[in-house]
This record gives sequence, C-alpha cells and structure tokens, in this order.
Amino acid sequence: GAVVSQHPSRVICKSGTSVKIECRSLDFQATTMFWYRQFPKQSLMLMATSNEGSKATYEQGVEKDKFLINHASLTLSTLTVTSAHPEDSSFYICSASVADRGFSYEQYFGPGTRLTVT
Amino acid sequence: GQNIDQPTEMTATEGAIVQINCTYQTSGFNGLFWYQQHAGEAPTFLSYNVLDGLEEKGRFSSFLSRSKGYSYLLLKELQMKDSASYLCAPMDSNYQLIWGAGTKLIIKP
Repeated sequence: GAVVSQHPSRVICKSGTSVKIECRSLDFQATTMFWYRQFPKQSLMLMATSNEGSKATYEQGVEKDKFLINHASLTLSTLTVTSAHPEDSSFYICSASVADRGFSYEQYFGPGTRLTVT
Repeated sequence: GQNIDQPTEMTATEGAIVQINCTYQTSGFNGLFWYQQHAGEAPTFLSYNVLDGLEEKGRFSSFLSRSKGYSYLLLKELQMKDSASYLCAPMDSNYQLIWGAGTKLIIKP
C-alpha cells in the first residue's frame, strides 16, 4: 500500500513554456502533499506544502507565481512550472502523508519527474 | 538553526557491516526517518525512530539517542544493490522533515 505516482516521469520543454506535473496517491487519501526539488548531488529541497482545498505554503525563496501548486482533492496535487527557464531544470519529487497515522507522519514519495528546459 | 551532519561518502565490502552516523539539530523533534535513494530515483522509506533505542528490520537497524541528537543506520550482510545514498531526516516541531545531503554508500565486491 501507500503508493504515490507522478506523471510525467521525464519532460523536455522549451524555455518560456509551462509544464504541469501530476502527483497522485493511488491507494490512500493524502492529507498533505509536499513538493521537492533536487539538483544533482544535493539534498532534497522542500518547495511547498499543500493541504487539500487550501492554498499551498511555499518555502522561503520559492516563487509562488512561478511554481503553481493545486491540491484539488485528497489524491491529486499538481505543480505547474510557468515560463520555464534552463535553471529550472531539475528533479522534481512529490510526497504524500497521512496525518491520522498516529506518531508516524511518514512521507510516501512519488518516483520523481526529471525536467529539462532547453 | 536546523542542520544535519552525515559523512558525505562511505565505502564498504559486499557481505560486511556498515554504520552510517547522523547528528542533528532541529527546532523541536517528532522522530527521525532514514530513507534510501538510488541515483536518479526518489527516496524510499527505511525506518522511523521516535523513542531512544534500536529498531531492527531485517538487514537494516536504526538507532536513536534524542538527548545526544544522534542516530545511526546499521546495514548488515551488504549487497551490491545497497549502493545508494542514505538520508537521515529528523522531523521538527512543525512535522516538517529536515533533509541533509545524505551519505553516498559505495559497495565493493
């Protein structure tokens, strides 16, 4: 159980275009979803936290107008990278957690999306 | 501030045992997670400790000392597929995971 999917797994887009990444919890309802970005050989960087039906909370330094997050249901969150630039090329990973699992707020990770902006 | 300290890289031999240490400082504490991350893939959950002591799960064990801000991951009977990065991630008072750069473990035959 506790499977999280992401789509697409890889995407190449041209500079200036927008890209949408979907994150779905397949067999559970996720109270909270997280979006991370990871550059090569670096740690995971939390971009934003979103709860179903409310606005996402963005980390300092993350532009909310550039990285649009929508958490429309308990099983789906989307991240849209608007007006992408080559420096946005990275590995984007979502995770989902369930708050009612007692002490364990384990995050279940999706497989990630490799974004390349040319 | 919040920070994680783990060795950047470790090398071990197939069949041996390796211990990956982690010290941390967080604003509040709600447990500590260990994740495994193979190159180019997302992290996968290994263990969770919230109380002091050792948690054993097959070939992997994780230890926590809250008073010392210290944890370790112990891997036994190493296999080539264990070559990966191992991420120590404590959870702060806001239930947010704090991530370090992880320890890259290289297994040699």
